[in-house]
Amino acid sequence: AQKITQTQPGMFVQEKEAVTLDCTYDTSDPSYGLFWYKQPSSGEMIFLIYQGSYDQQNATEGRYSLNFQKARKSANLVISASQLGDSAMYFCAMRPDTGRRALTFGSGTRLQVQP
Amino acid sequence: DVKVTQSSRYLVKRTGEKVFLECVQDMDHENMFWYRQDPGLGLRLIYFSYDVKMKEKGDIPEGYSVSREKKERFSLILESASTNQTSMYLCASSLGTTGTYYGYTFGSGTRLTVV
Repeated sequence: AQKITQTQPGMFVQEKEAVTLDCTYDTSDPSYGLFWYKQPSSGEMIFLIYQGSYDQQNATEGRYSLNFQKARKSANLVISASQLGDSAMYFCAMRPDTGRRALTFGSGTRLQVQP
Repeated sequence: DVKVTQSSRYLVKRTGEKVFLECVQDMDHENMFWYRQDPGLGLRLIYFSYDVKMKEKGDIPEGYSVSREKKERFSLILESASTNQTSMYLCASSLGTTGTYYGYTFGSGTRLTVV
């Protein structure tokens, strides 16, 4: 079974600053994928970034980067140069590469960007 | 534009009613999923399906059933709705049985209130 832990229910950040959202995970699967999703107040789930467990480099997508530390089982999301439109719920999720194909989600972090 | 469509955005039902939540995807995806989202708990997997007429229990299947008669449609059924099933319900689909990465597409959600 997989478990995702997001310990920050809410975060504040000033516009244009960087922010790190924490995510730790627990799994016995040897190969897996880690995902981050954004959910604005409209409710849609927006895919942000993916990291494979065997990827050597940390994933980056524009202003988003994933700080992957496999030994610590952490997959923190870093948002650089925060914008007001980044205010949303953020979910970390994982999925094993074999077996159950469903995502397991954390409880989420609500990020508020202040002007 | 590829889509996962949930038939209702908002639903209000009475305790004891049989409730159907419908989800349709137009991407020819094999995998379909039903989650419920509650504050502080994130998204929790109810049921999923890898193929037509196939279903598997997720982490919280009690009180729910599903039906997948056609590849594109995955229905969630609340046999006898109860107030503790008041929640946001999200449907998702994905393509892929092999490989280390495949994306998930989410519907916009159905907010169900049971009174």
